[in-house]
Formats: sequence, C-alpha cells, structure tokens
Amino acid sequence: SQQGEEDPQALSIQEGENATMNCSYKTSINNLQWYRQNSGRGLVHLILIRSNEREKHSGRLRVTLDTSKKSSSLLITASRAADTASYFCATDPTGTASKLTFGTGTRLQVTL
Amino acid sequence: DGGITQSPKYLFRKEGQNVTLSCEQNLNHDAMYWYRQDPGQGLRLIYYSQIVNDFQKGDIAEGYSVSREKKESFPLTVTSAQKNPTAFYLCASSVGQRNEQYFGPGTRLTVT
Repeated sequence: SQQGEEDPQALSIQEGENATMNCSYKTSINNLQWYRQNSGRGLVHLILIRSNEREKHSGRLRVTLDTSKKSSSLLITASRAADTASYFCATDPTGTASKLTFGTGTRLQVTL
Repeated sequence: DGGITQSPKYLFRKEGQNVTLSCEQNLNHDAMYWYRQDPGQGLRLIYYSQIVNDFQKGDIAEGYSVSREKKESFPLTVTSAQKNPTAFYLCASSVGQRNEQYFGPGTRLTVT
C-alpha cells in the first residue's frame, strides 16, 4: 500500500531557486526518510527524521516533520541542475527499516 | 567497494517464461528486499528477507518467488503467473543499526 503521497507530482524550477516538496502519510511512524532517484537508477538515501524531531538539516537539504498533521517537507536550497531527479519519502513504522512504505514521488527538473 | 549489484540491467523475455533476477550484496547486511516500480510511481514491496533461509511476502508477492540461501544473495523469480511483469525491479538491503535501505541499480524487465 502506498502510505506516502507526495505533492507536487512534478516541479520545474531554475538553477539557484529553492525547491519544496511535501509528503503526507496515514499511520504512525518511527521515522520518515527521503530518497533520491536519478532516471533509471536505484534510490539513494538523503536524510532521516525521527518522529520526535521537528526539523533536520543536511547540507542544502532541510526536512521538517509535523506528526500532528502527518506530513513532512523537503526543501532543497540553491538548487543545481544536478539536483534533477525524483524524490521519494518513505515511512518507517518500526525504526528498523524492515517495512518502509514509499510515496509516489516528486519529479524535480532544475533548468539552467 | 561495498554495494549491491543487480544483473542484468535490461532483460527481455517472452510471455509465459519464468525469469530470475539476480541481487548480490557485499555489505554484510542481514535484511534484503525486492521492490517493483512502474512508470511514474513509487516502489511497491514484493518480498523481503531479514535473515538467511527466511523471507516474507510483501504487498504484491503474487506471481513472484524468492530464495535466501546465502546472506549475500536474494534472487527474485518472476513466474508466468505474474500477469503484468514488465517493470523496473529494485533490490535493497539494510542493517539493523542503521535505519536506511541501500539500493542496487535496478533491472528493467520487459515481457512481450
């Protein structure tokens, strides 16, 4: 079952702009993760935020989590053409990564 | 280098034939997973294994089979019973101390 729904489905911005994508989920979680997928490739883990955290940073990435609204957002600041990819949220109910449920993804296009 | 390998990258089969997709990891991870990804969609879990000689069905196991005879290997067989096998298949692994999953590069299967 697809627990995470991402919004928007697609996003096109210019290099240097910020990109924000959102994820909503339905059940309780231990943590929420964001992954990146370049076209035709495997997924790469970006960042994890635990249910007791509200915000986390990693380089140009900022993730927020609102467990009362069951939602998360991923902000990529000062985007680059190399950030062009699909981004997926994944919810982890147990904290063991054994049953991640992935969202439908946001396709980000960064143009020069 | 440690990582997950999937072979082949592209696979073509005729309808009615079984086909086995390879997944090997040298990360010493206990858990391994198979996902299916259809165009423009998120990942759906087919099977997962948390330990050698043990595996569980995921959300869409019908028409698929797996084995886990070695820690390093988790092959997926797409049987002729799978009604719509054409898809991108991703293998992943994880280890208990870390909450993220590591993904292979994927195999694109086309059945005609």
